[in-house]
Amino acid sequence: ETGVTQTPRHLVMGMTNKKSLKCEQHLGHNAMYWYKQSAKKPLELMFVYNFKEQTENNSVPSRFSPECPNSSHLFLHLHTLQPEDSALYLCASNQGRLNEQFFGPGTRLTVL
Amino acid sequence: EDQVTQSPEALRLQEGESSSLNCSYTVSGLRGLFWYRQDPGKGPEFLFTLYSAGEEKEKERLKATLTKKESFLHITAPKPEDSATYLCAVSQLTGGGNKLTFGTGTQLKVEL
Repeated sequence: ETGVTQTPRHLVMGMTNKKSLKCEQHLGHNAMYWYKQSAKKPLELMFVYNFKEQTENNSVPSRFSPECPNSSHLFLHLHTLQPEDSALYLCASNQGRLNEQFFGPGTRLTVL
Repeated sequence: EDQVTQSPEALRLQEGESSSLNCSYTVSGLRGLFWYRQDPGKGPEFLFTLYSAGEEKEKERLKATLTKKESFLHITAPKPEDSATYLCAVSQLTGGGNKLTFGTGTQLKVEL
């Protein structure tokens, strides 16, 4: 595997389900990010992790719970979501505070 | 608060018809301006980083330029495979990473 991978690529869940999104980066980076991309809206930063420590939470509702067990893996745990949470969830990573971020392919989430 | 505005929202070109995409920004201290390309159903693909006014970067048919208030992505003699959404983002430092503020993108369609 190379670059940034995300699983699953597609997910359909009910409002009472609990599911998790997984991201893995194979680039040796130290920072990882979760973004939400909704139709006709700019990408929205959700969380930032640097060396496994959360350094940014962009006022995200508590029904989204991130976890970063090490610098290569990032999870987004989902519970009791709303239909408006349906979106493309993107993971990214980078090395160094000024450098470009590299994105994974995303997970297309649909909440019924 | 950082703001990024991209224009036009959509652009339709004939193959070989050169044009430019615009990204205007307001930031409190630019730490980098990034251009990405995004194909439908995929994550953004990094193209360029620009750090200071007057800087230019080129890659194949694409050339990015930066002034103190805006950036342009010039596309010379485009081909159908250049069709994608082009995203612009500005960077501000946060914690141990960098926080990207994205525009809504320009959807480019290149026709034969």
